[in-house]
Amino acid sequence: AQKVTQAQTEISVVEKEDVTLDCVYETRDTTYYLFWYKQPPSGELVFLIRRNSFDEQNEISGRYSWNFQKSTSSFNFTITASQVVDSAVYFCALRETNAGNNRKLIWGLGTSLAVNP
Amino acid sequence: DTEVTQTPKHLVMGMTNKKSLKCEQHMGHRAMYWYKQKAKKPPELMFVYSYEKLSINESVPSRFSPECPNSSLLNLHLHALQPEDSALYLCASSRPTSGSTDTQYFGPGTRLTVL
Repeated sequence: AQKVTQAQTEISVVEKEDVTLDCVYETRDTTYYLFWYKQPPSGELVFLIRRNSFDEQNEISGRYSWNFQKSTSSFNFTITASQVVDSAVYFCALRETNAGNNRKLIWGLGTSLAVNP
Repeated sequence: DTEVTQTPKHLVMGMTNKKSLKCEQHMGHRAMYWYKQKAKKPPELMFVYSYEKLSINESVPSRFSPECPNSSLLNLHLHALQPEDSALYLCASSRPTSGSTDTQYFGPGTRLTVL
């Protein structure tokens, strides 16, 4: 069965530290999509990245980077030189293609990141 | 522009009230979603509309009634809610492309309190 595990419930760092949020997934599908969303205290879920299962290239966007490794079924997210504005809950999610018209995302439980000044 | 708007931002209602949540997007998306999110939990899918037709109902109680008047609007009508229905209600939209490539974009949510 499909599943997304974010083992880190809460992380606390000091500003300018690098931090990595882990995401491990389970799926029997060969084609699937992985997502990261950020949810600041205001509540809005902000889309960060989508990665398909055929693209294992790592991605960097400013201070954010993602490491996708199919061999370990992981899609980890690193924030470099963290800032207070990065404080939020971060969710990893999985979507399988054999779901057809079922647009259901499988969500991890989220990692709450606190960046302290 | 990836904006989804939701009104109201906050809503307090009694168990006998009838109220509605509204969601709007102008990105040309043809799939729209309602989620319920309790504190410290991931969002739970409630309903999905695809091309203005209800395509998924995740066994949601009938006191929640969705409506999609047109491709840009999504409503959630609330009636006779229970205190345990208090939560953040999130709306999302996406392009209903084939397969599962569509990315869901979320609105800011409505914080609902049922007294």
